Amino acid sequence: GENVEQHPSTLSVQEGDSAVIKCTYSDSASNYFPWYKQELGKRPQLIIDIRSNVGEKKDQRIAVTLNKTAKHFSLHITETQPEDSAVYFCAASIGPGANNLFFGTGTRLTVIP
Amino acid sequence: GAVVSQHPSWVICKSGTSVKIECRSLDFQATTMFWYRQFPKQSLMLMATSNEGSKATYEQGVEKDKFLINHASLTLSTLTVTSAHPEDSSFYICSARNPVASKEYFGPGTRLTVL
Repeated sequence: GENVEQHPSTLSVQEGDSAVIKCTYSDSASNYFPWYKQELGKRPQLIIDIRSNVGEKKDQRIAVTLNKTAKHFSLHITETQPEDSAVYFCAASIGPGANNLFFGTGTRLTVIP
Repeated sequence: GAVVSQHPSWVICKSGTSVKIECRSLDFQATTMFWYRQFPKQSLMLMATSNEGSKATYEQGVEKDKFLINHASLTLSTLTVTSAHPEDSSFYICSARNPVASKEYFGPGTRLTVL
């Protein structure tokens, strides 16, 4: 099955700096890679996703890059703000369809004001 | 839209009782829903995949007779924790796959505490 690894497990940045979280996956058939943000005690919120037919996607301060050859994808947050502090999970799946997501272990991001 | 609700948001029960958790997709039809369990400061652990009108598919190590899943309609899946014990205490989160958008959206979670 798919194995998703995520690094780092914790990340602290100064407000205004950029944050980068990296994930690798093992199954070359995976073609859908979402990122979720989870605040303490709340649901994971989909913040951005990318499919394997593109290499990069950007939405305001958030961007995701995908390297299919190397089987890794990254989340980039620029101009970080304190409200960006949360746990971020990457995931991979062979989608669309009924296939489940395989989640990374999460990264706890702390933005220091 | 992509709103998924979950009820109850928290429940406290005595050991040996059963607890039912509901997951609803409010503004789309979800042929597939997923049930996760999350321990503090850990990732989401998939328990089972729930398909409308058919039996759920359980992940290895998850007891299907203990965690009963029913997906009777395109907008509702239920998870029943039978004969709950303190070790079943956890945060249970459902998600629903929006087939049109091909994206997965999560419910707010249910915090179960078994005394």
